[in-house]
Amino acid sequence: EPEVTQTPSHQVTQMGQEVILRCVPISNHLYFYWYRQILGQKVEFLVSFYNNEISEKSEIFDDQFSVERPDGSNFTLKIRSTKLEDSAMYFCASRLLDREETQYFGPGTRLLVL
Amino acid sequence: QKEVEQDPGPLSVPEGAIVSLNCTYSNSAFQYFMWYRQYSRKGPELLMYTYSSGNKEDGRFTAQVDKSSKYISLFIRDSQPSDSATYLCAMSGAGGGNKLTFGTGTQLKVEL
Repeated sequence: EPEVTQTPSHQVTQMGQEVILRCVPISNHLYFYWYRQILGQKVEFLVSFYNNEISEKSEIFDDQFSVERPDGSNFTLKIRSTKLEDSAMYFCASRLLDREETQYFGPGTRLLVL
Repeated sequence: QKEVEQDPGPLSVPEGAIVSLNCTYSNSAFQYFMWYRQYSRKGPELLMYTYSSGNKEDGRFTAQVDKSSKYISLFIRDSQPSDSATYLCAMSGAGGGNKLTFGTGTQLKVEL
């Protein structure tokens, strides 16, 4: 069964450093998402991406964040200058264009900013 | 008022019990209602989805949506220890990017 994959599974970085989180969505999916979950809190929407552009973003997704689909398979989230409060689990999700109700999530990347 | 409210639990039940998990919401624009299961430090796994009001059954799981009361439920029959996880309700509007708005999750433990 196809799955969303994410790398790395864990990343530790120093405050102010740039990080890139990588995702490989399910191959025939066209809508992609990033969510985050701070420890003990709910899953929060960051951004959705379709047809090589951002479809919607939350107020969390400020100028420090960017997304990119650099090739036909990868989908990345970049945080330019990490802050302590960026420490969280980051989940990538994807769905088919005509299946609005079924987003499939990856296993997540645990980011720790020191 | 929070957009989606969910009792965080923890909820502890004996094996074989019927489990009822619930969420309330305030945004009447929500059209799709999902239940995800999340094991510790893992990604959410889609269990069931419902469009608008009504019931949907899948094996031991039944999802109910009452849009007039802005209330959704997930019932688990004959609960098993392997059902022990955190259950997240999630909702989205129709059209556009369909971002999901999640509840906080209810932690369920099914004991032998």
